[in-house]
Amino acid sequence: NAGVTQTPKFQVLKTGQSMTLQCAQDMNHNSMYWYRQDPGMGLRLIYYSASEGTTDKGEVPNGYNVSRLNKREFSLRLESAAPSQTSVYFCASSGQQGLASPLHFGNGTRLTVT
Amino acid sequence: QKEVEQDPGPLSVPEGAIVSLNCTYSNSAFQYFMWYRQYSRKGPELLMYTYSSGNKEDGRFTAQVDKSSKYISLFIRDSQPSDSATYLCALLIGGYQKVTFGIGTKLQVIP
Repeated sequence: NAGVTQTPKFQVLKTGQSMTLQCAQDMNHNSMYWYRQDPGMGLRLIYYSASEGTTDKGEVPNGYNVSRLNKREFSLRLESAAPSQTSVYFCASSGQQGLASPLHFGNGTRLTVT
Repeated sequence: QKEVEQDPGPLSVPEGAIVSLNCTYSNSAFQYFMWYRQYSRKGPELLMYTYSSGNKEDGRFTAQVDKSSKYISLFIRDSQPSDSATYLCALLIGGYQKVTFGIGTKLQVIP
């Protein structure tokens, strides 16, 4: 059982380039999330999708867009990368909408923007 | 003031020691309390999940919640080198999808 799978694992971009981070879960979870993790800042929510067809902004959405492609997949797009977006990005999923369900994380994408 | 405060450490202890990790929070609406363990270059994994005040035990791990003091703790008994990781507390308001994380405490257990 793979759980939450993120691709790519590593990426280096130049300022202004674009890219899409992919995430897929096989746990039949309704809710999916994108976080970034930076030293001294902890995990910060970028966007989340409570269910298929809905997306909402989190704490730090500027510079990002998301797509909930289907129940399994939730992608994060950087349209014009900036050095401030250098970070480790984690995708997560959780079970039932509206209930307190723990998050299950992927192993992250390490992004460097030069 | 941050919603969740957690000492980032690092915390170094000898093998076999009892470890105490703590978080304080300011929002009394938090109802669900979790501890995640994160190994280097990996995603966080759920370790403990509690709802009520009091203690919850799972093997060598005990999670403690004191809602009146807005204080949560994770105790690790007989610590092992394999416990070396960063431990993040996480809090959730019931009915919402958004989890609030502490910044994590880095623990090193020395053989």
